[in-house]
Amino acid sequence: SQQGEEDPQALSIQEGENATMNCSYKTSINNLQWYRQNSGRGLVHLILIRSNEREKHSGRLRVTLDTSKKSSSLLITASRAADTASYFCATDADDYKLSFGAGTTVTVRA
Amino acid sequence: NAGVMQNPRHLVRRRGQEARLRCSPMKGHSHVYWYRQLPEEGLKFMVYLQKENIIDESGMPKERFSAEFPKEGPSILRIQQVVRGDSAAYFCASSPPYSPSYNEQFFGPGTRLTVL
Repeated sequence: SQQGEEDPQALSIQEGENATMNCSYKTSINNLQWYRQNSGRGLVHLILIRSNEREKHSGRLRVTLDTSKKSSSLLITASRAADTASYFCATDADDYKLSFGAGTTVTVRA
Repeated sequence: NAGVMQNPRHLVRRRGQEARLRCSPMKGHSHVYWYRQLPEEGLKFMVYLQKENIIDESGMPKERFSAEFPKEGPSILRIQQVVRGDSAAYFCASSPPYSPSYNEQFFGPGTRLTVL
């Protein structure tokens, strides 16, 4: 079964609004990574958060990690049309074998 | 510093043919991973290689699939006698030469294989 599962499956927001998506996982991890994938393209690494970190920022991205709840969230502030993409969390519960969920598809409306 | 390179970007094969997918890791990276993505799904781990060594191929089908990462040149994922179910996007990732458990994996643009 998938280790990381994103929620919601799809999200539609207006440009300028914030987008929040969540990731839940089942077993202990060393770190959790978030990736973006534009339609039909490769994955772009967004941010890595280690198991001993609780929050991390990168530009308009904010990632939180709650190891007690085995969950993470990705917040994109002041969304832009270019943020339209699928977002995946990946966990390393099985060492280097990253385990991906099915992703959250974000659509930012102009 | 060029990112992870994959070629071809798109590959069309007829059933029964062979598919060869190439991956050149980022400069300075010596760990290579292959993942497969079926439509509407996340990526699934296939194989982890270091130079001249297959470290873990637990995610790769036992038959028809093989991977290598020679001393010189790119990593190759080879699929023999392709079937329609092999149609997917195949992604290669690389990471630096220290503990792979603690580092980002950087992904290439993928090869989209279509089997007719």
